[in-house]
Amino acid sequence: DAGVIQSPRHEVTEMGQEVTLRCKPISGHDYLFWYRQTMMRGLELLIYFNNNVPIDDSGMPEDRFSAKMPNASFSTLKIQPSEPRDSAVYFCASSPRGTGLQTQETQYFGPGTRLLVL
Amino acid sequence: QQPVQSPQAVILREGEDAVINCSSSKALYSVHWYRQKHGEAPVFLMILLKGGEQKGHEKISASFNEKKQQSSLYLTASQLSYSGTYFCGTEGGGDYKLSFGAGTTVTVRA
Repeated sequence: DAGVIQSPRHEVTEMGQEVTLRCKPISGHDYLFWYRQTMMRGLELLIYFNNNVPIDDSGMPEDRFSAKMPNASFSTLKIQPSEPRDSAVYFCASSPRGTGLQTQETQYFGPGTRLLVL
Repeated sequence: QQPVQSPQAVILREGEDAVINCSSSKALYSVHWYRQKHGEAPVFLMILLKGGEQKGHEKISASFNEKKQQSSLYLTASQLSYSGTYFCGTEGGGDYKLSFGAGTTVTVRA
């Protein structure tokens, strides 16, 4: 089975440009998570979806960030306009069930998108 | 709230043991451990559930003390392949979210 697929793997853009990151979760997984990882802040949860519906977006840093999941096999994270402080590795992860309530399911991470905003 | 991991880094020689700790200020339902190698995605190691048993993976095992809201990861007879950054992810409220610690960087030398 293919794992979580993310594209692009690397993105270099200039400040003010729109950036769109893409994710294809593992087939059959109901939950999708977007994370951002930096040296300073570690691994932060930005937003997660259950059955394509956004459940918790409290980690989205600003209105410049938005995420959508139009169907079970595709999600996007958009930054508009981008700023240098958005430079980070963005991971998408999926899970067959929620990782809460004492389930034994875990999250499977994609390879990440390394974003550099100049 | 982010769990606290200690130590921040540890250097081992092959065959040595190490313990990584993860503490939370909140009651925990579960603790998830991941390992991330440089430039790669975090990879799942194991889950420890409230009221559950200690679970192992290869020569890596872990424990979960619910009362103290702590988990420990034990690296036994470390191998070169154990090098990487270890993260604990804690689930506190049944909200399907994990809060990750800052990570512990493990370097195993020959």
